[in-house]
Amino acid sequence: DTEVTQTPKHLVMGMTNKKSLKCEQHMGHRAMYWYKQKAKKPPELMFVYSYEKLSINESVPSRFSPECPNSSLLNLHLHALQPEDSALYLCASSQEGPTGEQYFGPGTRLTVT
Amino acid sequence: EDKVVQSPLSLVVHEGDTVTLNCSYEVTNFRSLLWYKQEKKAPTFLFMLTSSGIEKKSGRLSSILDKKELFSILNITATQTGDSAVYLCAVEASGTYKYIFGTGTRLKVLA
Repeated sequence: DTEVTQTPKHLVMGMTNKKSLKCEQHMGHRAMYWYKQKAKKPPELMFVYSYEKLSINESVPSRFSPECPNSSLLNLHLHALQPEDSALYLCASSQEGPTGEQYFGPGTRLTVT
Repeated sequence: EDKVVQSPLSLVVHEGDTVTLNCSYEVTNFRSLLWYKQEKKAPTFLFMLTSSGIEKKSGRLSSILDKKELFSILNITATQTGDSAVYLCAVEASGTYKYIFGTGTRLKVLA
């Protein structure tokens, strides 16, 4: 099973709303990622959690707040977003070590109005 | 600065053709190189390469890494319209789970 699940599939929110994106994997992977992808661009790394601790934050604005409640779950809390934050948000997970294949979830398509 | 460059940026071929996609990289402390296929949704994992000269193969797709010249190629033989997608290359740098993506190659296979 190489499945990473994400909810919701689509989200429309206003600039004053607070919402959360959720990601789950049951592959025993100890690294989990959030990426942002704009149309016709490659995924852009936002955050990496390793063993439930934030190990990489790619200078992401504080209106994006990640959370890793346990080794299977990853959340991204959204608050006061801007229209330019509209994008596909991808979650991924990987093993560590030489077999560290990274698998993506289906993504949440976010529109900020 | 770490970077990953893919070429060509786009490619149009006919069914049955063979294509070769390129990925070159400059990263600190290379750990692995991954190839993905992306259609309209999330990237689908194809291959992970860590060692030079060892070909990975899956059906009509194959890939190889050259760690001396710092590049990888992805070959697709006997292309089909279902191969139309963006092919992404990502390199893990610095051994800290940081994957750097290239801009991708957009492949279109015509019937």
